[in-house]
This record gives sequence, structure tokens and C-alpha cells, in this order.
Amino acid sequence: EAGVAQSPRYKIIEKRQSVAFWCNPISGHATLYWYQQILGQGPKLLIQFQNNGVVDDSQLPKDRFSAERLKGVDSTLKIQPAKLEDSAVYLCASSPDGNEQFFGPGTRLTVL
Amino acid sequence: GENVEQHPSTLSVQEGDSAVIKCTYSDSASNYFPWYKQELGKRPQLIIDIRSNVGEKKDQRIAVTLNKTAKHFSLHITETQPEDSAVYFCAATGGNQFYFGTGTSLTVIP
Repeated sequence: EAGVAQSPRYKIIEKRQSVAFWCNPISGHATLYWYQQILGQGPKLLIQFQNNGVVDDSQLPKDRFSAERLKGVDSTLKIQPAKLEDSAVYLCASSPDGNEQFFGPGTRLTVL
Repeated sequence: GENVEQHPSTLSVQEGDSAVIKCTYSDSASNYFPWYKQELGKRPQLIIDIRSNVGEKKDQRIAVTLNKTAKHFSLHITETQPEDSAVYFCAATGGNQFYFGTGTSLTVIP
């Protein structure tokens, strides 16, 4: 089966600019997660969707980050405006049952 | 919320020796404990998981043990090989929220 797809794979922007990431989960997986992984740290959950509804976004910095999953399939994560500390790998994962997660390749964001 | 601590942060072993990585969690409601392996520049990959109704699970050279009373779980890798070198993350979840440990960088010395 096809895995979780993410794009772009790399993005370099200047601070205060905006950026958007896209994720296509494994077909049939109802649960979708966005994580932020700063170098040398474990993934930190930003937001979790069940179909097109938000289950948990308690760690999402809502003043600058937003995410949507309008049709319950693809999802986008946006940062506006970006800060230097947003430099990280943004991982998307999907799950068929809310437990085992399958990760995408990630988007490496560098904010200059 | 949940707090997952992982030790050690780095671990070096000789090829063929065993490696043990330990994690503790705080939320007694957590009931699913996966372990992920992440090679440099790659995505995390699930290598083994355990649920709270099981005390131990084994898959070839990898095993995970869970002590619910003490709220800790451990990853055991036996007969380590150079390709086991990677960063290993534990995680815990009791439902909606997934919390990852800070990772253990394992180096297997040939």
C-alpha cells in the first residue's frame, strides 16, 4: 500500500513569511496527526484529526499555526508568520485505529 | 497531561551485546506504548508496541516489557547489529494524545 505523502520535502523561508505543508494520509486512515520535531528531540504533537474534526490541538500555537482537513482526507498545516524557532521537521502521520501510526517523510523547514 | 521520560539519551554497545532503553510515564490511563526507530534523516518507523493488558511482547531480537504498577516500560534489543544504530523513541497514549520520549541514540560498534 502507498505510504503517507508529504510535500514539500524541504522549505527555506525568512522569518515573518508564511509557509504551508501538505499531507496525504494512507487511504482509509481516519486519524491524522501533525508533529513538530526539533533537531535532537522527540516528535511533539501539534494537532490530531479524526476524519475532518479536530480531536486535540492543545499544543498548537494558534496565534501563528493553523491546520485543516476539510474533506477528511488531505490536510494542510500553515505557519503565518514564521519565527526562527519554527525551524524543524514537520511530520504527518496517519492511523487506522488511533494507535499504530504511519509517518510520512516529513518536511524540513528552515527559517532564516 | 502525560509526561514521558526516556533514558539513556545515548547508548553505545559492542556488536552482539544487548541494549536496554527505559521509559517512564505519568498518566495511569495510558494504555498503548509503541517504540519507534528513526534513522538519520528518515521517518520514525514502528518496531514494536505493547498494550496495557500485556506484560511482555517479543519479536525476534526485540522485546518490550511493561510494568503498569511502576509506570515504566523498556525496550530490549539482543544480539545487536550495526544496522540497529539509530535513534529510538518510546511513546505513550491513553486515547487522544500521543506523547513521545526524548529519544535514545544507539550506536552499535562493529
